[in-house]
Amino acid sequence: AQSVTQLGSHVSVSEGALVLLRCNYSSSVPPYLFWYVQYPNQGLQLLLKYTTGATLVKGINGFEAEFKKSETSFHLTKPSAHMSDAAEYFCAVYSGGSNYKLTFGKGTLLTVNP
Amino acid sequence: EAQVTQNPRYLITVTGKKLTVTCSQNMNHEYMSWYRQDPGLGLRQIYYSMNVEVTDKGDVPEGYKVSRKEKRNFPLILESPSPNQTSLYFCASSLLQGELSGKLFFGSGTQLSVL
Repeated sequence: AQSVTQLGSHVSVSEGALVLLRCNYSSSVPPYLFWYVQYPNQGLQLLLKYTTGATLVKGINGFEAEFKKSETSFHLTKPSAHMSDAAEYFCAVYSGGSNYKLTFGKGTLLTVNP
Repeated sequence: EAQVTQNPRYLITVTGKKLTVTCSQNMNHEYMSWYRQDPGLGLRQIYYSMNVEVTDKGDVPEGYKVSRKEKRNFPLILESPSPNQTSLYFCASSLLQGELSGKLFFGSGTQLSVL
């Protein structure tokens, strides 16, 4: 079984501050890990994904995430928040299997204050 | 332009009146899936399809039907909608192999209200 826990349903930062969105996963096999972003009134878009290889993954819009197997974590960071980063962010895990199922976390709403 | 198209964008209906939400993708993706999004619950998978004529239940399939008669289309059918099916619905598709595998492309969503 696979599961995802996103710590903090709402994170608020000031413009220019560090963004840190936390994600912990549970998987019985080496997972594939994803971060998706949802802007208001839109569908989800892929920010970045980890499959194998380098544990620090860079995505779009200056975001990156680091896969830490020992901590079962895949936290999302951005050095300097921009107003346009305000959105809801979802972490997701895929542990293989024939149903190709992505399990999503419950989401973290990021607010950026001027 | 590569995209997943859902229709309608908004739908208000009454209990028991059958409805269909259409989903079409133009990327020749094998995998298609339906999700519902509810506040505080994230996205939950309703049904998915690995290819034409191959569909299976996700986490919350009760009250829904799907079909995959063509590769590009994956409609979601609510035979007898109930108020607890009021939700935001998303269709998504993906390749199953290669560099883009695992990258879900999402439609813009269908906001359904069942009165």
